[in-house]
Amino acid sequence: DTAVSQTPKYLVTQMGNDKSIKCEQNLGHDTMYWYKQDSKKFLKIMFSYNNKELIINETVPNRFSPKSPDKAHLNLHINSLELGDSAVYFCASSPGQGGYGNQPQHFGDGTRLSIL
Amino acid sequence: SQQGEEDPQALSIQEGENATMNCSYKTSINNLQWYRQNSGRGLVHLILIRSNEREKHSGRLRVTLDTSKKSSSLLITASRAADTASYFCATLTPSGTYKYIFGTGTRLKVLA
Repeated sequence: DTAVSQTPKYLVTQMGNDKSIKCEQNLGHDTMYWYKQDSKKFLKIMFSYNNKELIINETVPNRFSPKSPDKAHLNLHINSLELGDSAVYFCASSPGQGGYGNQPQHFGDGTRLSIL
Repeated sequence: SQQGEEDPQALSIQEGENATMNCSYKTSINNLQWYRQNSGRGLVHLILIRSNEREKHSGRLRVTLDTSKKSSSLLITASRAADTASYFCATLTPSGTYKYIFGTGTRLKVLA
């Protein structure tokens, strides 16, 4: 059983398009995250939600809009895709309020986004 | 440079040898975690060490933390080919936003 699942696994699209990535976790966790991993493997947090409320919002272009319909789902919509958006996007979750921090994070297998 | 920086960037060893990788960070931390990432997969949590702890063990893994030097090390003993992966440290700073900052990772290759 996949704990944190993301779809799609691969996403190839043209510059300027709008796309969404979906994430679901079946661990019963309260906190979910989106990370971006660049070509050099550097992983940077983008957003975090706790029980559907936004608690971390890094300096991400407002073309990126997360949505959490319930605490088991955190989707990422990206408008007007740019070449620099090419990366692997990871969804993660952790138990309790992510803010306490003493909890391991569980990651999905990533969505590989390529902008042509 | 990043809050968490792993050293070396890449490491190649023979099966059965020990692998040591280091993580340095800049600010004070609440805790530090180590993660493993296999090629094409997400990160998997290995071990968490709190700022008031100096050493933790989990199976073949041993993590040390030296807050005076702002550094941590991950030792994998008796390495196996299956240990081939990238290893990342992640630090949590008492900054109020409670976000983890990941390093750039050490790519470990264990040769059979």
